[in-house]
Amino acid sequence: DAGVTQSPTHLIKTRGQQVTLRCSPISGHKSVSWYQQVLGQGPQFIFQYYEKEERGRGNFPDRFSARQFPNYSSELNVNALLLGDSALYLCASSPKWTDEDGRLYGYTFGSGTRLTVV
Amino acid sequence: AQSVTQLDSQVPVFEEAPVELRCNYSSSVSVYLFWYVQYPNQGLQLLLKYLSGSTLVKGINGFEAEFNKSQTSFHLRKPSVHISDTAEYFCAVSVDTGFQKLVFGTGTRLLVSP
Repeated sequence: DAGVTQSPTHLIKTRGQQVTLRCSPISGHKSVSWYQQVLGQGPQFIFQYYEKEERGRGNFPDRFSARQFPNYSSELNVNALLLGDSALYLCASSPKWTDEDGRLYGYTFGSGTRLTVV
Repeated sequence: AQSVTQLDSQVPVFEEAPVELRCNYSSSVSVYLFWYVQYPNQGLQLLLKYLSGSTLVKGINGFEAEFNKSQTSFHLRKPSVHISDTAEYFCAVSVDTGFQKLVFGTGTRLLVSP
């Protein structure tokens, strides 16, 4: 089975521009989350979507938005790019929140999109 | 709020030596704990996870971790490392707040030399 796929793998944008990053979850996974990893730091939570609805949002400005489509793929949009938005953007998927015993699933991460803002 | 502290930013070790990467967490409720590995220019790969049950968790590539509730720790260990284990290791905590959110530590770079 294919893992979590993200596109593009690399991207260079200019300050003030807008960018759209794409994610296809593992087949059958209905939950998609986005994380930002700035160089030298751990990933930071941006959004979680489940069944096409936003379920959680991290401490990011409104310039960041996302959506999930009927096929459970997802897009992350960032408007008015700043130099500080340069990072690796990771998408992660999981089947659902919990299994039949109520325990949380772990996430499967994609390889990420490296965004450079110049 | 939950937080994760990885006490060592970098751990140098010789090949075939044992290694321990330390992770402490803070949370007022029950947590779920994870270790992920990140190789250069790649995403995160799940090494192991603690959800409940036995406090000693075995993962992939010979890694294991022990959950210690009283010390709020979840240290990662491997009895004998290989050059190929050189990577960044992240400890993460998740709490069921109605949605899944992972809070990561700042990472520990494991450097294995011959």
